[in-house]
Amino acid sequence: DAKTTQPTSMDCAEGRAANLPCNHSTISGNEYVYWYRQIHSQGPQYIIHGLKNNETNEMASLIITEDRKSSTLILPHATLRDTAVYYCIVRVANFGNEKLTFGTGTRLTIIP
Amino acid sequence: GAVVSQHPSWVICKSGTSVKIECRSLDFQATTMFWYRQFPKQSLMLMATSNEGSKATYEQGVEKDKFLINHASLTLSTLTVTSAHPEDSSFYICSALGLAFTGELFFGEGSRLTVL
Repeated sequence: DAKTTQPTSMDCAEGRAANLPCNHSTISGNEYVYWYRQIHSQGPQYIIHGLKNNETNEMASLIITEDRKSSTLILPHATLRDTAVYYCIVRVANFGNEKLTFGTGTRLTIIP
Repeated sequence: GAVVSQHPSWVICKSGTSVKIECRSLDFQATTMFWYRQFPKQSLMLMATSNEGSKATYEQGVEKDKFLINHASLTLSTLTVTSAHPEDSSFYICSALGLAFTGELFFGEGSRLTVL
C-alpha cells in the first residue's frame, strides 16, 4: 500500500472548517483514499473514502486532486468533539487486501 | 454503521497470568477480523488477521504462541495474551470485515490491558 504524509498536528477554531491535508504521491490507480479518526482511548472511527471523485457524507467532505497525489479532509463546522487523531490511509479495496496500515496521523485540536 | 464490541474494555492482571479479550460483531457476520495493538502516543500496529474457521495470520515480530487468536464463529474472535508481562500492557483493538464488503472496516472500542 502507498505511503501517506500528514502534518503532525493542527489547531482549528470551533465552528470553523477544519481542513486536513494528506500527501500520497505514490498512490496507484486502484488504491482508494480512506480517512479514519481516533478519539482518545477509543477505537478508530470510519469517516469517508474515495477513489478519484470528491465525496461528501454527513461527517465530512473528501477532496482528491486531479492527479490523486494528495487529498484534503474537510470538517465543515468543527466542534470540540472533533478533537482527535485523523488518519489518512491508501489501500486497494478488494477481498484479500482489507487490512489497514496506520501511519502517525494528524492530531487535530479544536479550540473553543 | 455496523457495530463491533469488545470485552472487557479494561483489565488489570498480575504478571504471569493469561487474559482473554473478546471481539464481537453485533449486527453482521464477520468473515475476517483484525487485531491491533497501540502503545501510548503511538499509532495502531496490526498484530494478526483471523479468518473464521482457520488459523490466524500473524504480522512479523508478533509471537503466535503468546497472542492466541481464535475465530470460531462469524461473530466472535478472541485474543488471549498468555503469561502476560508488564511490557504487554497496551490498548488492544479489533476490527471486523463483513460479508457484504462496502469498503470500510469497523472497529471495536478497544480493551486496555494493564499487567502489574
